Amino acid sequence: KNQVEQSPQSLIILEGKNCTLQCNYTVSPFSNLRWYKQDTGRGPVSLTIMTFSENTKSNGRYTATLDADTKQSSLHITASQLSDSASYICVVAITTDSWGKLQFGAGTQVVVTP
Amino acid sequence: DAGVIQSPRHEVTEMGQEVTLRCKPISGHDYLFWYRQTMMRGLELLIYFNNNVPIDDSGMPEDRFSAKMPNASFSTLKIQPSEPRDSAVYFCASSFSLRTQDSYEQYFGPGTRLTVT
Repeated sequence: KNQVEQSPQSLIILEGKNCTLQCNYTVSPFSNLRWYKQDTGRGPVSLTIMTFSENTKSNGRYTATLDADTKQSSLHITASQLSDSASYICVVAITTDSWGKLQFGAGTQVVVTP
Repeated sequence: DAGVIQSPRHEVTEMGQEVTLRCKPISGHDYLFWYRQTMMRGLELLIYFNNNVPIDDSGMPEDRFSAKMPNASFSTLKIQPSEPRDSAVYFCASSFSLRTQDSYEQYFGPGTRLTVT
């Protein structure tokens, strides 16, 4: 069973609207949580990285939240644009000393329509 | 900086052939990672290096896969012999181990799309 679950699997939103993506994880011990944006045919690009002590971090119109107690994170996209159409991947790191201990979610495919 | 460079961008080969994927990390980065991405399994870490030394290769699927990093600016991922189930997009990423709050940021290359027929 994947230790990082993302929902929804996909969603379609109208340009200008807001949306929220969810990430639930069971990884322990937890070090940090990242959100990546992956455009079709390209490599993932980091949006935010949060440690267990942070509960929110913003990057432009992207705002990530983290509740380490409930092991939930969300990524909120404000005033969506056509360029936001992409896959958004939640990644949880188990420890800071071992790069290999990264757990990847399956991603949420977002389509922004005019 | 040009970012992480991967070549080739696309590779089509026949089953049984040897395939070599190449990666040039961002200058100054001391970590290099190889990932594989498929629709079924998503992103998977295959192996990573620190200062050219392989640290964890537990993600390498089997002995047909091998990776090397002869110097700080070059790495290869080799599949020999290739099989149709190896078809995927292979990403290389690099990172600099500066211990800040935003440490361990990874920068991904554009990927190599491998098709084994």
